[in-house]
Amino acid sequence: DAEITQSPRHKITETGRQVTLACHQTWNHNNMFWYRQDLGHGLRLIHYSYGVQDTNKGEVSDGYSVSRSNTEDLPLTLESAASSQTSVYFCASSDFGQPQHFGDGTRLSIL
Amino acid sequence: QKEVEQNSGPLSVPEGAIASLNCTYSDRGSQSFFWYRQYSGKSPELIMFIYSNGDKEDGRFTAQLNKASQYVSLLIRDSQPSDSATYLCAVNLFGNEKLTFGTGTRLTIIP
Repeated sequence: DAEITQSPRHKITETGRQVTLACHQTWNHNNMFWYRQDLGHGLRLIHYSYGVQDTNKGEVSDGYSVSRSNTEDLPLTLESAASSQTSVYFCASSDFGQPQHFGDGTRLSIL
Repeated sequence: QKEVEQNSGPLSVPEGAIASLNCTYSDRGSQSFFWYRQYSGKSPELIMFIYSNGDKEDGRFTAQLNKASQYVSLLIRDSQPSDSATYLCAVNLFGNEKLTFGTGTRLTIIP
């Protein structure tokens, strides 16, 4: 069955380190999205992509970057991790005009 | 004013009763409306989506959309303890694949 997988599921790191979260989908969806979820804020869009080589900033993109070199993957990189980036991160994908489906999430703690 | 607003709850409903969840949105250009269910520690799961004014039914779930009043609701009939979760409302604008989420309503079904 087609699916969307995120790795790692849990990660603990230190401030200042570079961190990359992986997202891989096998639905062949054009659209991929990264969100963070924090208590009291709900899901907030970090970056998104509508296809290979296309990337766009969301509402909370500062300190994050993405690249889309193929259809299946959209890795999220924290260039220099900060404690304010401790959160649960969700990746989602969709086809145009269709609902988004989410991965299981990555819980990231930055000490 | 938040773009998508939901009552955070908690909303407590007796088992077997109807649970009514409401969501209002500010942008009249909003085109598509989605309800996601999220169990504690899990990822959002699509329950229903609606594009046109009126009601859309799927099993025990009914989504209702009123674009003139800018609200969308989710009714859950014959509520079960397994319906206890946080329900997220999401909208997107015409021609835009991005979703804007509300902060969610926590629903508790009391046996």
